[in-house]
Amino acid sequence: NAGVTQTPKFQVLKTGQSMTLQCAQDMNHEYMSWYRQDPGMGLRLIHYSVGAGITDQGEVPNGYNVSRSTTEDFPLRLLSAAPSQTSVYFCASSYSLVNRGIGYTFGSGTRLTVV
Amino acid sequence: QQQVKQSPQSLIVQKGGISIINCAYENTAFDYFPWYQQFPGKGPALLIAIRPDVSEKKEGRFTISFNKSAKQFSLHIMDSQPGDSATYFCAASMDRDDKIIFGKGTRLHILP
Repeated sequence: NAGVTQTPKFQVLKTGQSMTLQCAQDMNHEYMSWYRQDPGMGLRLIHYSVGAGITDQGEVPNGYNVSRSTTEDFPLRLLSAAPSQTSVYFCASSYSLVNRGIGYTFGSGTRLTVV
Repeated sequence: QQQVKQSPQSLIVQKGGISIINCAYENTAFDYFPWYQQFPGKGPALLIAIRPDVSEKKEGRFTISFNKSAKQFSLHIMDSQPGDSATYFCAASMDRDDKIIFGKGTRLHILP
C-alpha cells in the first residue's frame, strides 16, 4: 500500500515548456486534488476531482489542466510554464468527504522550478 | 477573499511550553475544521480535527478549542517538544462541498 505517489520529485523547466506532474493513489479514494504551496501563501487548491470523469476548478486553476480517466490517477498538466508557476505541488486524496474524519492523504510533493 | 485566517505566521516556544496557533473563519457553513502538520520535505498530514458541535477536542498533547459564536478555533500543543517543530495548517470545509480550504500556515520552532 503505497498511499499517494507523486512523480517527479524535482523538475526544472524552461519558460514556455509543458509538462505533466503525475499523481497516483492505491487506496480507492474517490476524491483527489492538487495544491500548490508557496512561502507565506499556504496551500492553494488548483483543481480537484470527486470521481473518475469529473473535475472542477479550485482557487488558482489558470495555466493548469487536469483529467481523471481512472480512479487511481490524477495528472496535472502545465500548458506553457511560467516563472510564476515555480512552487511545490502536492497531490492529495481521500474517501468522499462524507467520511471526512479520515482526512486527506498527501503525496510527498513535486518541487518545480521554471527558469 | 481569504476564507481561513491563521496567526501567527511563525512561533518560537521553549521546550515544555504551550504553543498556541489561532484561526478564524467567515463562512458559517463550514462544519469541519482539521489541523495538518507538515515536516520539511514532506506532505502535510492530518493531526486532529473538530466539528462545531463540540467546544474542545483533545488527543494526547494536542487540543483544539472551538468558539462557534466568535468563528474562531485554535490549536494548543502542551509540553511542546523539539520534535513538534513543523508547519501547522488550520483548515475548514463544509458538508455540501468536497473542498478543504487551508490557512496560510504557522511555522513552529521549539527551542531545546
